[in-house]
Amino acid sequence: GAGVSQSPRYKVAKRGQDVALRCDPISGHVSLFWYQQALGQGPEFLTYFQNEAQLDKSGLPSDRFFAERPEGSVSTLKIQRTQQEDSAVYLCASSLRLTNTDTQYFGPGTRLTVL
Amino acid sequence: QKEVEQNSGPLSVPEGAIASLNCTYSDRGSQSFFWYRQYSGKSPELIMFIYSNGDKEDGRFTAQLNKASQYVSLLIRDSQPSDSATYLCAVEDRGSTLGRLYFGRGTQLTVWP
Repeated sequence: GAGVSQSPRYKVAKRGQDVALRCDPISGHVSLFWYQQALGQGPEFLTYFQNEAQLDKSGLPSDRFFAERPEGSVSTLKIQRTQQEDSAVYLCASSLRLTNTDTQYFGPGTRLTVL
Repeated sequence: QKEVEQNSGPLSVPEGAIASLNCTYSDRGSQSFFWYRQYSGKSPELIMFIYSNGDKEDGRFTAQLNKASQYVSLLIRDSQPSDSATYLCAVEDRGSTLGRLYFGRGTQLTVWP
């Protein structure tokens, strides 16, 4: 595709609900990152995939957060039993990652509001 | 925990002026530095990256890196109202996760006509 796409763009959940956020990276991009951006803050790393392998999940804030990329393309970030502190914009980024100069391209993000 | 600090602003400059955005980082061994622009409600967009000490120019933008002082800056010459956005400084992780970025909280820039 032309760029990284994410869906839904907006999600309102009641506290305790489960949510699933989808990321479609640029075709052929090996690396995929998820970041969380709270209001007024910079993005914070959540997790990283190289193809289908989740190589780093050290940024996931709790075991309620789970991410997968089973076929090395589309990725899903799932949050179970959402809490108000999960309210943020969730950004997905992808890159070719053939060299360390590759640009990370960000998707438009999913704004999650937990009531 | 790697820290990336930015002057929070807001920074307000008149059209045509030079806007100067500053960033410091805690990991002395960091090698790669990025400036992203983020319009309100939009995703970050890469505008410059720099790896070597000194200046790097791209059009109206100049990135400056001083690894000894752990300092990176972005200068925007001939600022335009369309430059009004939040500018995020990011430092790349040196560990096993290539590409993992540590971001500052951003500096909000307003360019008034």
